[in-house]
Amino acid sequence: NAGVTQTPKFQVLKTGQSMTLQCAQDMNHEYMSWYRQDPGMGLRLIHYSVGAGITDQGEVPNGYNVSRSTTEDFPLRLLSAAPSQTSVYFCASSYSRQGIGELFFGEGSRLTVL
Amino acid sequence: KQEVTQIPAALSVPEGENLVLNCSFTDSAIYNLQWFRQDPGKGLTSLLLIQSSQREQTSGRLNASLDKSSGRSTLYIAASQPGDSATYLCAATDRGSTLGRLYFGRGTQLTVWP
Repeated sequence: NAGVTQTPKFQVLKTGQSMTLQCAQDMNHEYMSWYRQDPGMGLRLIHYSVGAGITDQGEVPNGYNVSRSTTEDFPLRLLSAAPSQTSVYFCASSYSRQGIGELFFGEGSRLTVL
Repeated sequence: KQEVTQIPAALSVPEGENLVLNCSFTDSAIYNLQWFRQDPGKGLTSLLLIQSSQREQTSGRLNASLDKSSGRSTLYIAASQPGDSATYLCAATDRGSTLGRLYFGRGTQLTVWP
């Protein structure tokens, strides 16, 4: 059972570089979301999606873009990486389209921006 | 804005003890409250989800209660084991917007020693 799969697990970037964090789920969940986890800050919502073609901003969206072309995939794009984006990123999905059901998380992607 | 607080931030107990982890939230208008477990370097695993209409949920040695009127939830772990060592997070799903939005506490880091 794959669940929520994130790639890559680790990434080092230089300031100004761009990259995409991949997230895929095989549970046919409508709701998908991206969080970042920082020491002393807890988890904060970046972007979320309630279905293919529908995305919206969360609490900390600046510097990130998302798209949802299929139910399975929800990539997170960093357009021009900054040291402040050094963090652990988690993708999560839910069977509830409103995002109010049990949340399933990926293993995380650890990003360092130099 | 919903604020979720977890006390204590860290807890160290000998094996076999029964223990209680606390979670408080500021806005009682919630869909549900979830408890998660996070092992070092891993993603979050959902342990229990309590709907706003429920008072408690049980799974094995875990029991979670919810008191919306006082803005509190507790996670009770019976007969603790070294394998229970992890960080435990609670998250309240807010009713304030069209879609549910989770607000996370910063977690309680639990160590159970043999």
